[in-house]
Amino acid sequence: ETGVTQSPTHLIKTRGQQVTLRCSSQSGHNTVSWYQQALGQGPQFIFQYYREEENGRGNFPPRFSGLQFPNYSSELNVNALELDDSALYLCASSLASGASEQYFGPGTRLTVT
Amino acid sequence: GIQVEQSPPDLILQEGANSTLRCNFSDSVNNLQWFHQNPWGQLINLFYIPSGTKQNGRLSATTVATERYSLLYISSSQTTDSGVYFCAVYSGAGSYQLTFGKGTKLSVIP
Repeated sequence: ETGVTQSPTHLIKTRGQQVTLRCSSQSGHNTVSWYQQALGQGPQFIFQYYREEENGRGNFPPRFSGLQFPNYSSELNVNALELDDSALYLCASSLASGASEQYFGPGTRLTVT
Repeated sequence: GIQVEQSPPDLILQEGANSTLRCNFSDSVNNLQWFHQNPWGQLINLFYIPSGTKQNGRLSATTVATERYSLLYISSSQTTDSGVYFCAVYSGAGSYQLTFGKGTKLSVIP
């Protein structure tokens, strides 16, 4: 059974640029959630995708957007990058939406300069 | 929204010692997870525990949902137990997001 994978591992971008992060869910999981973790903090929920639809969203601006594909993999897109977007971005997959156990990938560390 | 508080924020243990980490939450929850974040940032699932007690080797967890807290016990600690331990909860109707605490940073020294 393959776990959750994310790419790239690290990324450096300049303020104002756009970035796309990718996530492959664990086999058999149809739900993907994205989280942002700033240094020294707990992860914060960005949004969740279930069967290719956004299922819920946290307190993040519209420049954070996502997609889920028919194979349940997902992308997180961030436009007009700001310095405060520098963080570890974590993807989690689960068997279903709702209070199902979530399994996390290794994360993508984004640095905005 | 729901508040999740973890204590202590930092903990230093001698190898072989036992410890208890606490997670308090401000509202009723549908479920609760404990994670260990290693130095590379990977979140590792420890327990998925809405209520009751579960054990896995040297680790065990107890959630008392009616009193809004959960405890994580680590016995005979090892240096590989070092890292940050997070508690995260699901709350509200149709709950789909995990709300995390700020974590407990554990350092186990030889």
